[in-house]
Amino acid sequence: GQQVMQIPQYQHVQEGEDFTTYCNSSTTLSNIQWYKQRPGGHPVFLIQLVKSGEVKKQKRLTFQFGEAKKNSSLHITATQTTDVGTYFCAGQSPVDYKLSFGAGTTVTVRA
Amino acid sequence: DTEVTQTPKHLVMGMTNKKSLKCEQHMGHRAMYWYKQKAKKPPELMFVYSYEKLSINESVPSRFSPECPNSSLLNLHLHALQPEDSALYLCASSPLTTDTQYFGPGTRLTVL
Repeated sequence: GQQVMQIPQYQHVQEGEDFTTYCNSSTTLSNIQWYKQRPGGHPVFLIQLVKSGEVKKQKRLTFQFGEAKKNSSLHITATQTTDVGTYFCAGQSPVDYKLSFGAGTTVTVRA
Repeated sequence: DTEVTQTPKHLVMGMTNKKSLKCEQHMGHRAMYWYKQKAKKPPELMFVYSYEKLSINESVPSRFSPECPNSSLLNLHLHALQPEDSALYLCASSPLTTDTQYFGPGTRLTVL
């Protein structure tokens, strides 16, 4: 079955620094979705990437979808304390449309 | 209305109890989902409903019984649960199964 690997599992960042989290799928995806979950909260949709090679930006967040539609990344610049939480990628299968979540990257920020 | 609501927020039940979780959306979405999330883990898909019909059951034990009475409501009936079933139960919806999913706040379930 489809598997989505996500690294790193934990990211400890100094406030103001940049970081990147990466996702890799064992199979080609229909699209990839990114979610953020704050401690004690629920996953909140951030963005969906559909096209091969697509790049989308949301303020300090840059999302990329690979040319083969099997990998994706989320890059955050100038990290702030509000960025704390777990970021999940979720790849959608083109066969049955199920979402397969990566393990998540849990981000903590040092002020 | 642009959100998915879930009730109750918290639920504590014994292993012999019967309880139900409720999920509601009024966005006109025709796909609804139940996920289970254990602490520090990603959500795991349990059930998918498309146009009020069960389309995916991820080999979930029969002590979990989903129901979709209409296009806005999704229930999860619980009976004879085990302590290891304690988790955050998330409902999500999307316009169609091919679209972005929007999650509700979840029900935090504790089984004693």
